[in-house]
Amino acid sequence: QQQVKQSPQSLIVQKGGISIINCAYENTAFDYFPWYQQFPGKGPALLIAIRPDVSEKKEGRFTISFNKSAKQFSLHIMDSQPGDSATYFCAASMTNSGYALNFGKGTSLLVTP
Amino acid sequence: NAGVTQTPKFRVLKTGQSMTLLCAQDMNHEYMYWYRQDPGMGLRLIHYSVGEGTTAKGEVPDGYNVSRLKKQNFLLGLESAAPSQTSVYFCASTLTVNTEAFFGQGTRLTVV
Repeated sequence: QQQVKQSPQSLIVQKGGISIINCAYENTAFDYFPWYQQFPGKGPALLIAIRPDVSEKKEGRFTISFNKSAKQFSLHIMDSQPGDSATYFCAASMTNSGYALNFGKGTSLLVTP
Repeated sequence: NAGVTQTPKFRVLKTGQSMTLLCAQDMNHEYMYWYRQDPGMGLRLIHYSVGEGTTAKGEVPDGYNVSRLKKQNFLLGLESAAPSQTSVYFCASTLTVNTEAFFGQGTRLTVV
């Protein structure tokens, strides 16, 4: 059972545009929500993460927006660049039970020149 | 620092053969994980360990066994490989719960 649902499956954005990837979860016990970036042939790497006590976190061109009541969170990539072309995974985990990340199915982002 | 190192990087197995994938981390992390990645399926947890000598089942544990005899190593075994186990396998480690997971480069396994 997929505990974290991610959309869209693929996304094409022009250079300079905004890329938006959305995730939804059901388990209200989740208390850690990271985003991972994966380039072909490489392992995923942490991009940015948020905890539910804040509604937004920004690091450079990357922003997580978190809506606790709607059980949704999203990744915004501002001024998207061709070098951002990768697969992005949202994930969720909980402190008190279960220690591993529950991943979404991933979004393949292509930023065109 | 090497981080998380997986060996081998590629392997082709015949149905019924066995093999062991090795994961080694040099960050003194307590928690280690094995995931498999299949197209359109994201990363699914196979087994994990919360410390030396401990292991637990994840989402898709059938057909796999693991061992964590040393804190820095986490082994994933396939006793009798099946074509359904063709996948890319990733090992990861974290210092504690809900902290950054560091992934290895992956092992691409093909079972024919």
